[in-house]
Amino acid sequence: GAVVSQHPSWVICKSGTSVKIECRSLDFQATTMFWYRQFPKQSLMLMATSNEGSKATYEQGVEKDKFLINHASLTLSTLTVTSAHPEDSSFYICSAPLREAFGEQFFGPGTRLTVL
Amino acid sequence: SQKIEQNSEALNIQEGKTATLTCNYTNYSPAYLQWYRQDPGRGPVFLLLIRENEKEKRKERLKVTFDTTLKQSLFHITASQPADSATYLCALALNTGGFKTIFGAGTRLFVKA
Repeated sequence: GAVVSQHPSWVICKSGTSVKIECRSLDFQATTMFWYRQFPKQSLMLMATSNEGSKATYEQGVEKDKFLINHASLTLSTLTVTSAHPEDSSFYICSAPLREAFGEQFFGPGTRLTVL
Repeated sequence: SQKIEQNSEALNIQEGKTATLTCNYTNYSPAYLQWYRQDPGRGPVFLLLIRENEKEKRKERLKVTFDTTLKQSLFHITASQPADSATYLCALALNTGGFKTIFGAGTRLFVKA
């Protein structure tokens, strides 16, 4: 099956700093990737759709200036949490569809962000 | 308002029995409905996809039904095993000018040996 990796798997940072999370499709090309956030015992909340070569599409209520998304190649999307605060602490997960954009999604293992 | 609802309470069943999980949605018209499995601290893993014009889909011990009139999907695991213990997520694939997948909160399944 298709493999999606994320890096780092966990990160601890100080309040006010920025953190970059990478999402890579290892054995397929992904023109579209999705970024989700998940709080403990809650569902995945779609944050944004990352489009290769164009601007990301953000969901309502997600600040695009705080969560910067760059999809510079067909295998890499990055999410940068700028000026992180403790309330940004969460589990961030990316996904990519192998075929149709709304078909089965292959998820990365997730990144646990803790902001002190 | 738009909602995806899954049983919020955990489902406890005995090994060998059939587990049935429910997913109801309102004010959505999904192109596809999908089911995923998620283990603690991991990303979800795709299990099954069913299209809006399909009533039922099977894969090994898994079966999914999809009723677009009732706006409901049922997910069955037959001959359940302790290894099936996980959280199961229902997801709707939407075409709203762009494609996106949104998830229900999931149902935690515990299979006792």
